[in-house]
Amino acid sequence: EVQLVQSGGGVVQPGGSLRLSCAASGFTFSNYYMTWFRQAPGKGLESVAKINQDGSGKYYVSSVKGRFTVSRDNAKNSLTLQMSSLRDEDTGVYYCATEDFWRMDVWGQGTTVTVS
Amino acid sequence: QSALTQPPSASGSPGQSVTISCTGTSSDVGGYNYVSWYQQHPGKAPKLMIYAVSKRPSGVPDRFSGSRSGNTASLIVSGLQAEDEGDYYCASYAGGDFVVFGGGTKVTVL
Repeated sequence: EVQLVQSGGGVVQPGGSLRLSCAASGFTFSNYYMTWFRQAPGKGLESVAKINQDGSGKYYVSSVKGRFTVSRDNAKNSLTLQMSSLRDEDTGVYYCATEDFWRMDVWGQGTTVTVS
Repeated sequence: QSALTQPPSASGSPGQSVTISCTGTSSDVGGYNYVSWYQQHPGKAPKLMIYAVSKRPSGVPDRFSGSRSGNTASLIVSGLQAEDEGDYYCASYAGGDFVVFGGGTKVTVL
């Protein structure tokens, strides 16, 4: 079964750090860009960070640049988002997803991050 | 404020059709064939329903279709069913590193 299973998340104080993980199975993980999205409570979807197939290209939205780091381990079929200097506005549900030609085919189940 | 504009809500009775619009500019929706639509049920992850403006992934019912006219893309749900109720988001490539999203449309089946 093609799936992304997320872990991590939780409650953290402002200024704190958190690590999100995303484990892939059922498809060739190394073939895909991977993107992190988030959704603030009651709000829409927002791109956060993206990494290319071999990890040599990393992209961040301006609001998280310098605070978040995206990485991947293709040998372990895993994706990570390391978040630091967290702010109230980082609160939300975070999703990992495969990205192929600007479409997101497979999504993780989501994990909640609360900065308070 | 979202980059793409969607109506906040839409509704229809079972069996009817509902159309959701997604208005952008020539720099996003109107400029690239990379418009996609996502369905999200409460507490669940988004699900890809339409990509490349009008293509349907395998497993998505053919009641869902997509189109575009100028800078406005549309998602049409025909033969509305109870399970179609949820939030729908459009997304488009806009020339940068990330897709841009619409603000979402809540579809209610009356």
